[in-house]
Amino acid sequence: EPEVTQTPSHQVTQMGQEVILRCVPISNHLYFYWYRQILGQKVEFLVSFYNNEISEKSEIFDDQFSVERPDGSNFTLKIRSTKLEDSAMYFCASRGQGSQPQHFGDGTRLSIL
Amino acid sequence: AQRVTQPEKLLSVFKGAPVELKCNYSYSGSPELFWYVQYSRQRLQLLLRHISRESIKGFTADLNKGETSFHLKKPFAQEEDSAMYYCALSGRPYGGSQGNLIFGKGTKLSVKP
Repeated sequence: EPEVTQTPSHQVTQMGQEVILRCVPISNHLYFYWYRQILGQKVEFLVSFYNNEISEKSEIFDDQFSVERPDGSNFTLKIRSTKLEDSAMYFCASRGQGSQPQHFGDGTRLSIL
Repeated sequence: AQRVTQPEKLLSVFKGAPVELKCNYSYSGSPELFWYVQYSRQRLQLLLRHISRESIKGFTADLNKGETSFHLKKPFAQEEDSAMYYCALSGRPYGGSQGNLIFGKGTKLSVKP
């Protein structure tokens, strides 16, 4: 069964540094998402992406965040200048057309020092 | 406000006992409701969605619009059911929503032998 893959599984970065989290969605999917989960808290929506542009974003997704689909397969989340509070699990998800459900990746654990 | 509430952080039962994980929601419109499960060290996986009206691994969930609930039930719990369970909702894609998921905080189900 096809899966969403995320790399790296764990990223440790100094505060203030840029970080790029990578995702390869399922190949025929059209809608892409990023979520995050701070330790002990719930999974929160960050951004959705469709047709090469952001379709919705949450209050969390401020100017420090950006997403890109640089080629036909990758979907990246960039945090420009990381803060301590960006430490979390970041999940990528994708879904196909219509009312198909979202499929999640394993997540990237981001630790900001 | 759009919200999903899972009142129990932890639910502990013995093998063979019935299980009910509670989920209430608040949403202006007609949402889609989902249950996702996360087994230890694995990704979030879709367990059920209300439009499918099916039973997966013995679990069922019925959408009660009057009570705005979508409780997850299983008549006889198994040890392998031990996991984190997340209730989530989204707007309906054909209603213009991009399908962003709003999650509850999750309930950890522990099934003891």
